[in-house]
Amino acid sequence: RKEVEQDPGPFNVPEGATVAFNCTYSNSASQSFFWYRQDCRKEPKLLMSVYSSGNEDGRFTAQLNRASQYISLLIRDSKLSDSATYLCVVNRASGTYKYIFGTGTRLKVLA
Amino acid sequence: DTAVSQTPKYLVTQMGNDKSIKCEQNLGHDTMYWYKQDSKKFLKIMFSYNNKELIINETVPNRFSPKSPDKAHLNLHINSLELGDSAVYFCASSQPGTTGLHNEQFFGPGTRLTVL
Repeated sequence: RKEVEQDPGPFNVPEGATVAFNCTYSNSASQSFFWYRQDCRKEPKLLMSVYSSGNEDGRFTAQLNRASQYISLLIRDSKLSDSATYLCVVNRASGTYKYIFGTGTRLKVLA
Repeated sequence: DTAVSQTPKYLVTQMGNDKSIKCEQNLGHDTMYWYKQDSKKFLKIMFSYNNKELIINETVPNRFSPKSPDKAHLNLHINSLELGDSAVYFCASSQPGTTGLHNEQFFGPGTRLTVL
């Protein structure tokens, strides 16, 4: 079993739709969680960190469920420009520097 | 002002050659990384340095040798290149958090290596 698992997609959604991605992690000692966005042939860029209390940034909402060991990303009112691969990233317990990346979920927003 | 820069952006070379990729960050971060992203788009950590000290060395062939002359630079030298080394190599940096939690990583633009 991979340490961080995501549905690879693709998720094809119409503009304006709401879409949600989940990501599960296996190491219960994991401390830090992130969603990154990667456009085709570009580097990953931070979309949002995921906090225990959940957090929202405009149309994007991230949640952490420690009991079930998953994080989620909700995108409301999808735009064409949201089309990208969304990477779930988990960092293990404090004192380590190893960030574990999921394989990414590909999103295509259709006109 | 580029935060994390890598050179070259593209590298096409023959099997058996030796090549280097350079990375520099101007963010003042203590920790730098090398990742490999293969054709299946999976990002896998290769090495990490914290304040010029090697702290992560994943199962990577010893043909790959990282070098950190100072904490702003992390270079990757590859000997005897093989076809399977073709991938995009990303450099990244981060600053460990003070509370034990880890902060985000900043990535360079990547070096697309093609071995013929």
